Amino acid sequence: AQKVTQAQTEISVVEKEDVTLDCVYETRDTTYYLFWYKQPPSGELVFLIRRNSFDEQNEISGRYSWNFQKSTSSFNFTITASQVVDSAVYFCALSERTNAGKSTFGDGTTLTVKP
Amino acid sequence: NAGVTQTPKFQVLKTGQSMTLQCAQDMNHEYMSWYRQDPGMGLRLIHYSVGAGITDQGEVPNGYNVSRSTTEDFPLRLLSAAPSQTSVYFCASSYSLGAKNIQYFGAGTRLSVL
Repeated sequence: AQKVTQAQTEISVVEKEDVTLDCVYETRDTTYYLFWYKQPPSGELVFLIRRNSFDEQNEISGRYSWNFQKSTSSFNFTITASQVVDSAVYFCALSERTNAGKSTFGDGTTLTVKP
Repeated sequence: NAGVTQTPKFQVLKTGQSMTLQCAQDMNHEYMSWYRQDPGMGLRLIHYSVGAGITDQGEVPNGYNVSRSTTEDFPLRLLSAAPSQTSVYFCASSYSLGAKNIQYFGAGTRLSVL
């Protein structure tokens, strides 16, 4: 069975601080996908990033970056120079290789960015 | 593009009532899924479909039925609503093409069972 753990329930930072959200996963699959989603107070789910298990290259996209380490089963997400609009619940998710619609989600990390 | 459309946005039911949550997608995606989100928790998979006529159970299927007669539609039926089914329901459609594996979510249906 797959499992995703987001140990940080809530994080509070002051604007312009960098913040890293942790995600640890468990799966028996050798090929899988990892995702980060954002859920703002309005409630919709916004796709942020996706990483394939066979590609461990870490990337930066604007203020977002992620650190995928297969050896430790971790997929951490960093927001650089946080802004108030980043305040939301962030979910890490894991899916099978052939079906993103069969995803396992963590319980989320609530990020509050104070001005 | 409409993407994934869920109706209704809000619904209040009495215990024992039945209803159908509607979900439609216009992206010709082969995969569709239903999730529920309870307060303070992540999404949990109820049922999913890998194509028209094919459905399977997810993590929390009890009390729900689904069918997929067309690629576009994937309704979720609550047979006899219970207070434990009070939740926010998300429908999603997704595709897998080579290294791409993307899931799109509807706006959600907030359901209260009294």
